[in-house]
Amino acid sequence: GENVEQHPSTLSVQEGDSAVIKCTYSDSASNYFPWYKQELGKGPQLIIDIRSNVGEKKDQRIAVTLNKTAKHFSLHITETQPEDSAVYFCAAALEYGNKLVFGAGTILRVKS
Amino acid sequence: DTAVSQTPKYLVTQMGNDKSIKCEQNLGHDTMYWYKQDSKKFLKIMFSYNNKELIINETVPNRFSPKSPDKAHLNLHINSLELGDSAVYFCASSRLAGGTDTQYFGPGTRLTVL
Repeated sequence: GENVEQHPSTLSVQEGDSAVIKCTYSDSASNYFPWYKQELGKGPQLIIDIRSNVGEKKDQRIAVTLNKTAKHFSLHITETQPEDSAVYFCAAALEYGNKLVFGAGTILRVKS
Repeated sequence: DTAVSQTPKYLVTQMGNDKSIKCEQNLGHDTMYWYKQDSKKFLKIMFSYNNKELIINETVPNRFSPKSPDKAHLNLHINSLELGDSAVYFCASSRLAGGTDTQYFGPGTRLTVL
């Protein structure tokens, strides 16, 4: 089955700096790659996703890039703010699969 | 309006007891899920229902029994609770089955087994 690895497990950045979280997946048939943000005491919430027919997608300060050949995708957050502090999860799904497989999560701390 | 709600938010109980967690979604979605998040934050799917039919059962012990009385509700009953069941349990829903549609998560139920 699909396996998703996520790095780093923790990331500390200074407010205003950029943060990058990377994930690799094992099944080349995966075609959907969402990113979820989980704030303390809450459930995960989708922040951005990308499908395999595009290489990059942006939404204001966040962007996701996908390299299908290398089977990895990354989340980029620019101009980080304290409210970006949370746990971020990448995930992958097969087009005709039945579930989303999550990475282990990255704890992002933005220091002001 | 809360999209996906769970009750209770906290559950503390003794080993060997039986407990239930309830989930309701008002998004009109056809698919609902139960996830378990352990102490290391790892998020793993347990069950998925589509139109009240079980479509995913991820080798979860028989002590866990989900029930979907209708498309808007998915409950989780746990028999003979063990220490290792301590975790945060999340309910989620999506419009479509499979993994390629946005999933909306509830606030979680923190289960502590003593």
